Amino acid sequence: GAVVSQHPSRVICKSGTSVKIECRSLDFQATTMFWYRQFPKKSLMLMATSNEGSKATYEQGVEKDKFLINHASLTLSTLTVTSAHPEDSSFYICSARDEGADGEKLFFGSGTQLSVL
Amino acid sequence: LAKTTQPISMDSYEGQEVNITCSHNNIATNDYITWYQQFPSQGPRFIIQGYKTKVTNEVASLFIPADRKSSTLSLPRVSLSDTAVYYCLVGRSGSARQLTFGSGTQLTVLP
Repeated sequence: GAVVSQHPSRVICKSGTSVKIECRSLDFQATTMFWYRQFPKKSLMLMATSNEGSKATYEQGVEKDKFLINHASLTLSTLTVTSAHPEDSSFYICSARDEGADGEKLFFGSGTQLSVL
Repeated sequence: LAKTTQPISMDSYEGQEVNITCSHNNIATNDYITWYQQFPSQGPRFIIQGYKTKVTNEVASLFIPADRKSSTLSLPRVSLSDTAVYYCLVGRSGSARQLTFGSGTQLTVLP
């Protein structure tokens, strides 16, 4: 299947700092990427839809100013957690839509474990 | 949004065939059924996708009855490394808004 690369895999930061997470589709172009959040032993929660060249669409309850999303190219979307606080500590996962010949599929990055001290 | 219902957990032994069933009574006409596997601290991995009848690839089979209100993921001859959470998602493929993650099924393969 298609490959989605996500970096960094783990980040530890101080409260009040900002953290940027990158999501790249390596072997396909993705006009649409998605960002999820996952707590331990829980399922994935969709945070926002990232659209290349336009503003992201956020799910209800997700702060736009806290979680900045940029999708500047067909292979890269970034999520910036601004002024991070301990409650932002979580596992963040991106996915990209591959509109292949055998139908549309979602492929996921390996995730980023964010720990805010 | 088509909600899905899966067993919370299942146990199996190495070498056995495992079938995980997902109920999706409200599936829409243009919805696909997609299964993902997730290991701890990793992103979900695509396993298989289907619309109706049976789909088979190198790792699994997906059985979908005519009414499409359920689906069964079949894993042949599981090994310890197949211990993971398996998610059934229903929706228009590629539309994350409609691909809502349910609770998933924790499969534990025992030696």
